Amino acid sequence: DIQMTQSPSSLSASVGDRVTITCRASQSISNYLNWYQQKPGKAPKLLIYDASSLQGGVPSRFSGSGSGTDFTLTISSLQPEDLAFYYCQQSYTTPSFGPGTKVHI
Amino acid sequence: EVQLVESGGNLVQPGGSLRLSCAASGFTFSSYEMNWVRQTPGRGLEWVSYISSSGTPIYYADSVKGRFTISRDNAKNSLYLQMNSLRVEDTAVYYCVRDNRQWRWDYWGQGTLVTVSS
Repeated sequence: DIQMTQSPSSLSASVGDRVTITCRASQSISNYLNWYQQKPGKAPKLLIYDASSLQGGVPSRFSGSGSGTDFTLTISSLQPEDLAFYYCQQSYTTPSFGPGTKVHI
Repeated sequence: EVQLVESGGNLVQPGGSLRLSCAASGFTFSSYEMNWVRQTPGRGLEWVSYISSSGTPIYYADSVKGRFTISRDNAKNSLYLQMNSLRVEDTAVYYCVRDNRQWRWDYWGQGTLVTVSS
């Protein structure tokens, strides 16, 4: 099974800040990496697929990069509505998630 | 508008059974693969089961293999999860999730809570 890790586990930032979250896979997964946002009390929402493709309707301040084992999710200018947990998920094989990153505003 | 609405979650004793349902609308259900994904505070998000658009193939996580059965009725636009021999560790919010090609999950239901406790 492929293990996913994320860092940091939580972060605090101000409105307008650039925020970066890192995800690492235990083995190469090419670009089969998705990012989800989960707001309190809600289901996860797909933000980024195939490591860097923006899902329809997602603001352009969200972007993703990476391939192989190391990936990043970047929020270019943090907004109050971005308060959430963020999860990476590998889709290379039997899917698995990272433990999540909590973003505080 | 795509909608996935789960139902059937409840409190059940260890060893008991439960059947979850998911009603789909707003898209051609028979064209999409579907999954069940669960979430707990302790273990986070965990994929549970997959079913193809036609009903086969089907896959399960090792943690539920032999105890859970996924199925679908394309005529009723519905997805199901039959859960038998339930364990305390199956306690979770269960989400019905649409699969838009190779484990890319683009729509999620609101979730239904399953609690396994004596």
